[in-house]
Amino acid sequence: GENVEQHPSTLSVQEGDSAVIKCTYSDSASNYFPWYKQELGKRPQLIIDIRSNVGEKKDQRIAVTLNKTAKHFSLHITETQPEDSAVYFCAALFSGGGADGLTFGKGTHLIIQP
Amino acid sequence: DSGVTQTPKHLITATGQRVTLRCSPRSGDLSVYWYQQSLDQGLQFLIQYYNGEERAKGNILERFSAQQFPDLHSELNLSSLELGDSALYFCASSVVAGLARETQYFGPGTRLLVL
Repeated sequence: GENVEQHPSTLSVQEGDSAVIKCTYSDSASNYFPWYKQELGKRPQLIIDIRSNVGEKKDQRIAVTLNKTAKHFSLHITETQPEDSAVYFCAALFSGGGADGLTFGKGTHLIIQP
Repeated sequence: DSGVTQTPKHLITATGQRVTLRCSPRSGDLSVYWYQQSLDQGLQFLIQYYNGEERAKGNILERFSAQQFPDLHSELNLSSLELGDSALYFCASSVVAGLARETQYFGPGTRLLVL
């Protein structure tokens, strides 16, 4: 089955700086890669996703890049703000095979220092 | 608010007991997924139902079972509970078809504590 590795486990950045979180996946058939943000005690919230036919996607301060050959994808947050502090999860999925359960990375605790 | 609802919010029970968690998907969504989140195992996919039928199984224990009813709500049954089953249980739902088919929206979760 699919295996997703996520790094780093903790990331501390100064407010206003950029943050980058990286994930690798094992199943070359995976074709859908979402990122979720989870605040303490709350539900995971989808912040951005990318499909395998696209190399990059951007939504305001958030961007995701995908390298299918290397089987890795990254989340980029620019101009970080205190409200960006949370745990971020990457995930991978092969959509179309009938089994649509997401495989998640272990998460990155992002800390924005004022 | 994602539109996915889960009850109860919190559940405290004893080892050996059985509990039922309930989930209502977003209006119009036919797929329901169950996930378990614990400190040591992270977020793990348990099982998926689509329009009343089991569609995919993940790391679901034999002591756990689920079903989806004609009104599309789903229940996750956990039996012979052990201390290690203490976790957050999330339900998610997704649309039927189209480009957004894979997009899963999570409910608020049920926090289960087994004593």
